[in-house]
Amino acid sequence: EVQLVESGGGLVQPGGSLRLSCAASGFTFSAYWMSWVRQAPGKGLEWVANIKQDGSEKYYVDSVKGRFTISRDNTKNSLYLQMNSLRAEDTAVYYCVRSIAVAGFRPWGQGTLVMVSS
Amino acid sequence: EIVLTQSPGTLSLSPGERATLSCRASQSVSSSYLAWYQQIPGQAPRLLIYSASNRATGIPDRFSGSGSGTDFTLTISRLEPEDFAVYYCQLYGNSPPITFGQGTRLEIK
Repeated sequence: EVQLVESGGGLVQPGGSLRLSCAASGFTFSAYWMSWVRQAPGKGLEWVANIKQDGSEKYYVDSVKGRFTISRDNTKNSLYLQMNSLRAEDTAVYYCVRSIAVAGFRPWGQGTLVMVSS
Repeated sequence: EIVLTQSPGTLSLSPGERATLSCRASQSVSSSYLAWYQQIPGQAPRLLIYSASNRATGIPDRFSGSGSGTDFTLTISRLEPEDFAVYYCQLYGNSPPITFGQGTRLEIK
């Protein structure tokens, strides 16, 4: 069974840092692009970042450029999101998602909640 | 920047009725990169349709997608109780733009 399990969320003060992790299983992790998507409380979905199979290409939504870094470790079947200089508007559930270029984002992890507040 | 606008914002229907949800792009997009997702409150989104009209694995055939260019539609032929949820369209690919519509909430009338 294809599975994605996020961890690392929590409460952090504005300006702080947090590192999210996503453990993948049930598929050949190194063969897929991977993405992070977030959802602020009561709001819609927002794509945050994605990374190519070998990590050679990375893309970010403008609002996180220079603050967030996506990375992966194919030997550990893991995806990461390093979040620095966090702001209140970064408060959201963060989902790890497998990306398939012509076949959509599937599956989605259960999400991990990041709360930025003093 | 490509913007996806979904309408209506909220759709109130009864079980057994037909639902038609719209997604309009601010400029023409390839239908190969247009998807629809369902999100039940408290759960992660689930892929329903990819490449505008292809059902994902395990999705019932009452769900169908259509459209091209700037106008796309998700149709649910006969609503089941479990279909009442929020639906998002998405433009996807390996590089930006990767964007979601703001969602349509399908509620029980």
